[in-house]
Amino acid sequence: NAGVTQTPKFQVLKTGQSMTLQCAQDMNHNSMYWYRQDPGMGLRLIYYSASEGTTDKGEVPNGYNVSRLNKREFSLRLESAAPSQTSVYFCASELLGYTFGSGTRLTVV
Amino acid sequence: GQQVMQIPQYQHVQEGEDFTTYCNSSTTLSNIQWYKQRPGGHPVFLIQLVKSGEVKKQKRLTFQFGEAKKNSSLHITATQTTDVGTYFCAGPRQAGTALIFGKGTTLSVSS
Repeated sequence: NAGVTQTPKFQVLKTGQSMTLQCAQDMNHNSMYWYRQDPGMGLRLIYYSASEGTTDKGEVPNGYNVSRLNKREFSLRLESAAPSQTSVYFCASELLGYTFGSGTRLTVV
Repeated sequence: GQQVMQIPQYQHVQEGEDFTTYCNSSTTLSNIQWYKQRPGGHPVFLIQLVKSGEVKKQKRLTFQFGEAKKNSSLHITATQTTDVGTYFCAGPRQAGTALIFGKGTTLSVSS
């Protein structure tokens, strides 16, 4: 009964590199979300998926793409990482209230 | 655009003192949620309020939803060191199904 699992927990990328952040939930929730958290900025929505097969942009989608692979998995891809994407990334799923994963701490140098 | 604002941004208290954080929305909300994030951790859901004027208690924590459903507060009575962390309020976005979060109030407690 893991809840929401995110991988990796830490990552350092060079500018221009690409990577995919993985998220999986085992609670059979329809809705899944990706947020980024920066100091003093709170949690800002990148993309979300209200159900399997659908995705929508949030507040800060530029530079990111997402895939809702199936009901369990929702991945976030950075095609060409930039220093401005240095952040902590949280995936969440929802039934009543969000259940967050433990986060991915990404540094882009 | 839609905004959710929280004050204060930071609060330091002595253990045993009370603490309150306030949340204000630029729009009327159908519900408001509160989350707690411990240092280095991830946000954890605390509660959802739905009704105008609703008050809910969880042990030493009291949550209120304003009559106009545009503001909310979280009050902690007799803080303990275990209350340390950042408290976020969040409400539904006008567009779509996701939440918009306030920037949070970070509470520190000294014993």
